[in-house]
Amino acid sequence: ETGVTQTPRHLVMGMTNKKSLKCEQHLGHNAMYWYKQSAKKPLELMFVYSLEERVENNSVPSRFSPECPNSSHLFLHLHTLQPEDSALYLCASSQEKTGSEQFFGPGTRLTVL
Amino acid sequence: GENVEQHPSTLSVQEGDSAVIKCTYSDSASNYFPWYKQELGKGPQLIIDIRSNVGEKKDQRIAVTLNKTAKHFSLHITETQPEDSAVYFCAAKRDSNYQLIWGAGTKLIIKP
Repeated sequence: ETGVTQTPRHLVMGMTNKKSLKCEQHLGHNAMYWYKQSAKKPLELMFVYSLEERVENNSVPSRFSPECPNSSHLFLHLHTLQPEDSALYLCASSQEKTGSEQFFGPGTRLTVL
Repeated sequence: GENVEQHPSTLSVQEGDSAVIKCTYSDSASNYFPWYKQELGKGPQLIIDIRSNVGEKKDQRIAVTLNKTAKHFSLHITETQPEDSAVYFCAAKRDSNYQLIWGAGTKLIIKP
């Protein structure tokens, strides 16, 4: 295992639901990332947190809301999503925000009906 | 914006043969080039990386080559085995940045 866990592994939600994705890293890293992975496309960086401060928000719609309460935990709060938001959401961590290697969790497979 | 082109999108090779995946990057200031392997049901995992001050790096059956002038880098896997079947991603970044620029991935299929 990589030391990064994500829950739930699978999530099906309607467009009016509110849900949250959780990520936890056990590596002592101080930077954490949310990515969106769609089939046959490059990974899309959504958010970066360094020392619990958000340092990047790549023009992500406001229906995605991140939260980083401490350096080990990262959440992605979801509300009023669209079917095109269905994808694999990956969490990653690294030693620091410019650290070379990123360690990924297994992802949450999200389906929006 | 900056981008990384990766080819081919799918590669099928006979077990025991070699596989080569190629990437081209656009940001000439990129100086770090990792390769990640993603198996089914898992997140990507770093398998090898190279920095711009070297032209080649090897780790057992895996090697990466870098041509800075042409802005190309490639992954070479020799003596392929069934467990090499996965999706491989290349990426590029500047050391000063936190953002990796990713290729779209190559699905490698090893035929028995």
